Amino acid sequence: GENVEQHPSTLSVQEGDSAVIKCTYSDSASNYFPWYKQELGKGPQLIIDIRSNVGEKKDQRIAVTLNKTAKHFSLHITETQPEDSAVYFCAPGDSSASKIIFGSGTRLSIRP
Amino acid sequence: NAGVMQNPRHLVRRRGQEARLRCSPMKGHSHVYWYRQLPEEGLKFMVYLQKENIIDESGMPKERFSAEFPKEGPSILRIQQVVRGDSAAYFCASSPGAGASGNTIYFGEGSWLTVV
Repeated sequence: GENVEQHPSTLSVQEGDSAVIKCTYSDSASNYFPWYKQELGKGPQLIIDIRSNVGEKKDQRIAVTLNKTAKHFSLHITETQPEDSAVYFCAPGDSSASKIIFGSGTRLSIRP
Repeated sequence: NAGVMQNPRHLVRRRGQEARLRCSPMKGHSHVYWYRQLPEEGLKFMVYLQKENIIDESGMPKERFSAEFPKEGPSILRIQQVVRGDSAAYFCASSPGAGASGNTIYFGEGSWLTVV
């Protein structure tokens, strides 16, 4: 089955700086690479995703980059703001797979 | 378009009682997933269902836990004879189906179960 690892598990950055979270997966059939954000007491929300036919996707301050050869993809947040503080999860998937496995999460804290 | 609706949001049960958690998927979604999250931990897959079918229940404990998604009505996650270790947040998610868009899933706000 899919083995998914996220690094780091916790990350603290100064407001305005950038944050990068990496997700490594094992299933070479994975073709869908989303990132979810979970705020305290709430359900996870999809914030950005990428499919295997592109290497990078950007949406304002967030971006996702994919390296299919090395089997990892990363979440980049630039100009971080206090509202970026949350737990972030990756969940690489195969459109034919029955279940979606989440990474263990990265707790991001933004220091004022 | 309303999102994924879960109820109750908070549920307290005594040891040995039954807990029943409900999930109404987004309109047009026929695929439902249930995940469990312990405090300060990640999301653990439990079960994946389509209307009237259990597709994958490999993450669900074999005893006391069951799930259904009937033709009409919400999906139900049922926990019988609850124990303290069942205390967790249970999240439901739905997706429009398999295929290229099938893995974009949308989560509800969760049901927090506390067993006393």
